Amino acid sequence: ETGVTQSPTHLIKTRGQQVTLRCSSQSGHNTVSWYQQALGQGPQFIFQYYREEENGRGNFPPRFSGLQFPNYSSELNVNALELDDSALYLCASSLRASGANVLTFGAGSRLTVL
Amino acid sequence: SQELEQSPQSLIVQEGKNLTINCTSSKTLYGLYWYKQKYGEGLIFLMMLQKGGEEKSHEKITAKLDEKKQQSSLHITASQPSHAGIYLCGADMAGNKLVFGAGTILRVKS
Repeated sequence: ETGVTQSPTHLIKTRGQQVTLRCSSQSGHNTVSWYQQALGQGPQFIFQYYREEENGRGNFPPRFSGLQFPNYSSELNVNALELDDSALYLCASSLRASGANVLTFGAGSRLTVL
Repeated sequence: SQELEQSPQSLIVQEGKNLTINCTSSKTLYGLYWYKQKYGEGLIFLMMLQKGGEEKSHEKITAKLDEKKQQSSLHITASQPSHAGIYLCGADMAGNKLVFGAGTILRVKS
């Protein structure tokens, strides 16, 4: 089975720009969660998608948005980038029906905002 | 703010020594997860604990959840360089989210 894959692995943007990060779920998983991890901190929950709808959101502004597609892949979009958005963005997939929130993580997309 | 407190923030141990990392919550933990992260990479699932007093082991790593379900510990026996990394505890919270602690950085000296 394939794991979670994310793209791009690294990218550099400037303030005010927009970015789209992509994630392919592990085979058999139906739920996708996105996390932001700043340097030296633990991952912060952005939101979760299930059945193509947002199913839980952390303390992030509306300029952070997402999509989940019928094949369970997902996108994270961030508009009007700010310097503080520089971080490692992690995607994780899971199986909703499993009764436990065991997440399988991708390697992440490292975003630098200049 | 982090709802899970991890201690210590970092530690350096000599290869072969034992070590313990703690994770404390002010709220009852209904699902406690331990992950390991290599610097700048994704998280790797280690173990999940759900019941008070539960203990699980995998190779040289043992995780426990206390009876009150507010504290968990991760113990590594006879540490090896391959154990080096960042250890993160995570807990199920309302809103379908898994909340993480700030992590413990482990370095193992050969």
